[in-house]
Amino acid sequence: DVKVTQSSRYLVKRTGEKVFLECVQDMDHENMFWYRQDPGLGLRLIYFSYDVKMKEKGDIPEGYSVSREKKERFSLILESASTNQTSMYLCASSTGTSGDQYFGPGTRLTVT
Amino acid sequence: SQQGEEDPQALSIQEGENATMNCSYKTSINNLQWYRQNSGRGLVHLILIRSNEREKHSGRLRVTLDTSKKSSSLLITASRAADTASYFCATARSGNTPLVFGKGTRLSVIA
Repeated sequence: DVKVTQSSRYLVKRTGEKVFLECVQDMDHENMFWYRQDPGLGLRLIYFSYDVKMKEKGDIPEGYSVSREKKERFSLILESASTNQTSMYLCASSTGTSGDQYFGPGTRLTVT
Repeated sequence: SQQGEEDPQALSIQEGENATMNCSYKTSINNLQWYRQNSGRGLVHLILIRSNEREKHSGRLRVTLDTSKKSSSLLITASRAADTASYFCATARSGNTPLVFGKGTRLSVIA
């Protein structure tokens, strides 16, 4: 059974903290994605990666960075968390950039 | 850059009825996909339809695609309470571009 896991289901951080969200997939997928989901706004793509050490900006990359040192792991980094980054963060992976995606359970991040 | 727009935003039906959700998009696409999300969880892929296909079935799901109208519909037949979820369409402009998701339709199936 395919699996995408995320390091935390719930996370509470303070403004200004550096936050790491980890995502691991066990399907040997080349492509991995980070989204945030907010009420009324749907899913918005933050960054994606189509290969190890490769990254591409999505629609809303400001305030975020990513790291992909190994094929199975894709990390989202909030360099200095702000309250407007309070959101649900979803990680996904796929074989092709536009292929069907497998999602992790999500991390609900609250920045206070 | 929101590509797909689902309609209606919310839908409430009785168990056993059929549920139809629509998705409209703006540009040409390579494929269109439908996903389901249970409350507070990740999305689950339901079905993918390519731009050269018109209809696809998977169990109780039927998806149609009309590229001339830039629209798709998802039909869930004989709905169950367990179908209660949000449903999203997602489009890919080409084989090398990431998906763009709509804002979703919230479906409530009342037992």
